[in-house]
Amino acid sequence: GDSVTQMEGPVTLSEEAFLTINCTYTATGYPSLFWYVQYPGEGLQLLLKATKADDKGSNKGFEATYRKETTSFHLEKGSVQVSDSAVYFCALTRSGAGSYQLTFGKGTKLSVIP
Amino acid sequence: EPEVTQTPSHQVTQMGQEVILRCVPISNHLYFYWYRQILGQKVEFLVSFYNNEISEKSEIFDDQFSVERPDGSNFTLKIRSTKLEDSAMYFCASLQSTDTQYFGPGTRLTVL
Repeated sequence: GDSVTQMEGPVTLSEEAFLTINCTYTATGYPSLFWYVQYPGEGLQLLLKATKADDKGSNKGFEATYRKETTSFHLEKGSVQVSDSAVYFCALTRSGAGSYQLTFGKGTKLSVIP
Repeated sequence: EPEVTQTPSHQVTQMGQEVILRCVPISNHLYFYWYRQILGQKVEFLVSFYNNEISEKSEIFDDQFSVERPDGSNFTLKIRSTKLEDSAMYFCASLQSTDTQYFGPGTRLTVL
């Protein structure tokens, strides 16, 4: 079945550091890929997405590129801020899956210190 | 901006009791979902609902679980007889017609 593997956390970075959170997936067909973010006390919010190979999703300085050859969708940000402290979830949904259910990774907690 | 809301934010119940978790999806959305996250584990799909019926469900969604959309705005998840292992954060989500789901803030269910 479908699965998503993302790097274990927690990750602690200093402000303005470079961020990479690795995500790889296993799925049949051509899934759409997502990063969701959960700020403390809030629900899951879509951060960015990519729907086909070589697409780059970007938002709020974050970006991720859909790499079919390596089945990866790594999240990057050039300079993190304290306000980026949150839990980040990589997820996929299979095209033509009908109900568009999401398969999530375990989440990576990011803490950014001043 | 429209958002998905969930009530209550935290529910404490005794093992064997019935609980109903409530969600109000975004009004023009067509697909509705429940997910759960046991502490420290993955967010897991439970069930999807479309056109007033279940469209897909996971192995977790057994006979103890049911969903309803009783009045065209609310979307509920009922657990008939709660077990300790049902303790988790439950998320509701809705989808209009593309592949972007919008999530509520979650209900933390604690079964004692």
